[in-house]
Amino acid sequence: DQQVKQNSPSLSVQEGRISILNCDYTNSMFDYFLWYKKYPAEGPTFLISISSIKDKNEDGRFTVFLNKSAKHLSLHIVPSQPGDSAVYFCAARQQGGKLIFGQGTELSVKP
Amino acid sequence: NAGVTQTPKFQVLKTGQSMTLQCAQDMNHNSMYWYRQDPGMGLRLIYYSASEGTTDKGEVPNGYNVSRLNKREFSLRLESAAPSQTSVYFCASSLQGYEQYFGPGTRLTVT
Repeated sequence: DQQVKQNSPSLSVQEGRISILNCDYTNSMFDYFLWYKKYPAEGPTFLISISSIKDKNEDGRFTVFLNKSAKHLSLHIVPSQPGDSAVYFCAARQQGGKLIFGQGTELSVKP
Repeated sequence: NAGVTQTPKFQVLKTGQSMTLQCAQDMNHNSMYWYRQDPGMGLRLIYYSASEGTTDKGEVPNGYNVSRLNKREFSLRLESAAPSQTSVYFCASSLQGYEQYFGPGTRLTVT
């Protein structure tokens, strides 16, 4: 029973355009959501987060949107750059600080 | 400031052998975690330690044991390795149970 789902295993985008990565969750008790970026042969690195009491958080080219009624989270990258090519994981925080991760979406940004 | 370090980077074991994966953090974080990453499965929590002296099971604890040696170090032990434990293992740490910071990973193959 997957509580956090990323239904798109891969996404290909042209350089300079917008990348939109999506994530759905089932547990309304999650209180904090995070996005991580992972390059091959490296550990995941924290990218951006949002509290469940907000609906948007922005950090430079990265914006995370939270739609609590739809239990849906999205990450927008504008403009996309080739260096953004990586696997992106969304994660949701449970009580006690445990994170539940989605399966990941592999983003490829073409020059 | 090295962040989170893991040793070894690679390991090949035969079925039934034992080994310990080491993890250390120098960020004075209270909480530490062990995850495994398998294709299409995202990151799954094996064990975690909310604070020095405490450990708890995560989503997939069977076949593993952990030790929180002190505030800096959290080790993961495989007592009798099985091919199903072939995976990439990541250690992470967190100050207040929100953003987690990951090590570079250990790639383990059990034959």
